[in-house]
Amino acid sequence: QTVVTQEPSFSVSPGGTVTLTCGLTSGSVSTDYYPTWYQQTPGLPPRTLIYSTDTRSSAVPDRFAGSILGNKAALTITGAQADDECDYYCALYMGGGIWVFGGGTKLTVL
Amino acid sequence: DVQLLESGGGLLQPGGSLRLSCAASGFIFSNYAMSWVRQSPGKGLEWVSSISASGGDTYYADSVKGRFTISRDNSKNTLHLQTNSLRVEDTAVYYCAKRGAYTSSPVDHWGQGTLVTVSS
Repeated sequence: QTVVTQEPSFSVSPGGTVTLTCGLTSGSVSTDYYPTWYQQTPGLPPRTLIYSTDTRSSAVPDRFAGSILGNKAALTITGAQADDECDYYCALYMGGGIWVFGGGTKLTVL
Repeated sequence: DVQLLESGGGLLQPGGSLRLSCAASGFIFSNYAMSWVRQSPGKGLEWVSSISASGGDTYYADSVKGRFTISRDNSKNTLHLQTNSLRVEDTAVYYCAKRGAYTSSPVDHWGQGTLVTVSS
C-alpha cells in the first residue's frame, strides 16, 4: 500500500524560507496527483492553502507557493511569520475517488 | 458564504452505530462533490469517504469500507455518513468537506467538525 510521506517536523526562523515536501513510498509525485496542501491550527478545522500543485486558494498570501521538486510535491513558505507555526498536511489524489493524506508536518517558527 | 454544519456526534460503545449529518448552505449543493475527513485525537487527517454531486458515485477508505455509508439529499442540502460496527479506532472529529464539481477536486471549504467517541 502506497503511503504519502511528509517530514514530521520542521523549524524555520522568522523571516526565513522553508520548503516542506510530500512524497510517495513508491513512485514519484506528479501533477496527476493534484497535490493539495492544508494548514491547520490545533483545535480548528483545516484551511486549504494550495490545490492542483500550485494554485493558491482565495485569500492565501503569495508567501505560500506550491510546486513539484524532483519526485515530490513541495510547499514553500517565504518570509515565515509567527502565525505560520502550525501543522501542514498534503493530500494526493490516487484516482478512483480516493484521496490519501500525508502524516503532516509540524512547523515551528523560532 | 459557504457554511457546513455537522451534527450527530456523540459517545457510544464499540459495535454501535451513529448517523452524522452536514447541513450545507451558501452554495448550490447539488453541483458539488462532498467528502468526510476525520482526525483522531492528536493525530493527522484521514480521508474517509466522498460522494459525487449527483450522489451516484461513492468512494471509501479501506479502513471504513463495508461499515460506513455516505449519502446525500440534494433536496435538503444535506450530507450524511452512516457509521456502523464502530471501533475504538474510529474515535475522531469528523469534518464535512465541500469539494469542487468532482470527487477529484480539492476541498475548498470545511465544517467545524463533530466528535465521535467510541469507548467501552
